Amino acid sequence: AQKITQTQPGMFVQEKEAVTLDCTYDTSDQSYGLFWYKQPSSGEMIFLIYQGSYDEQNATEGRYSLNFQKARKSANLVISASQLGDSAMYFCAMRERNNQGGKLIFGQGTELSVKP
Amino acid sequence: ETGVTQTPRHLVMGMTNKKSLKCEQHLGHNAMYWYKQSAKKPLELMFVYNFKEQTENNSVPSRFSPECPNSSHLFLHLHTLQPEDSALYLCASSPAAEWETDTQYFGPGTRLTVL
Repeated sequence: AQKITQTQPGMFVQEKEAVTLDCTYDTSDQSYGLFWYKQPSSGEMIFLIYQGSYDEQNATEGRYSLNFQKARKSANLVISASQLGDSAMYFCAMRERNNQGGKLIFGQGTELSVKP
Repeated sequence: ETGVTQTPRHLVMGMTNKKSLKCEQHLGHNAMYWYKQSAKKPLELMFVYNFKEQTENNSVPSRFSPECPNSSHLFLHLHTLQPEDSALYLCASSPAAEWETDTQYFGPGTRLTVL
């Protein structure tokens, strides 16, 4: 079974509007970390935001926030005030404490296009 | 230089060639990783080095050979590759591959084409 599921292959958003990118995960571990990365067409994976499983508050980093719903096992990324430079692939990833090998498990990604 | 750098950025090689990919991190991290990203697929972890020791080999064919001479440098030696090995190869580093809070930072990648 897939551990990270991103159900939106592609999304469109109007410039200056907010957009939510969905991510659900599956783990039996009590301790885990959730990450979002942005990959522009140039290829580099850019770290955006981190949420720990024991964090009680949703993580925020500038225009990025993570809507963490532990019981539903979802970790959606919210981008506020979209900009043209936000057009890219976005990947959700998880790391489990019991996975001592350092393995980040990635989802399939969502391609976001911001329209002017 | 800052962050994680990779050279070359693009590489075209024949199936009989031998080449190496280089990764260098300037973040003072102790763990380094190689990932493969094929078109329309999630990233696949290939190798993990933690404090210069290889801690993970994710069933990677022997035509890929990693080398980590110190915690700042990581190489991926390539020989007798197949066309299906064409992909984006990403290097990453993190403080230490031990905890779920450990954040990985990636380089710009090497886009490899095998003819």
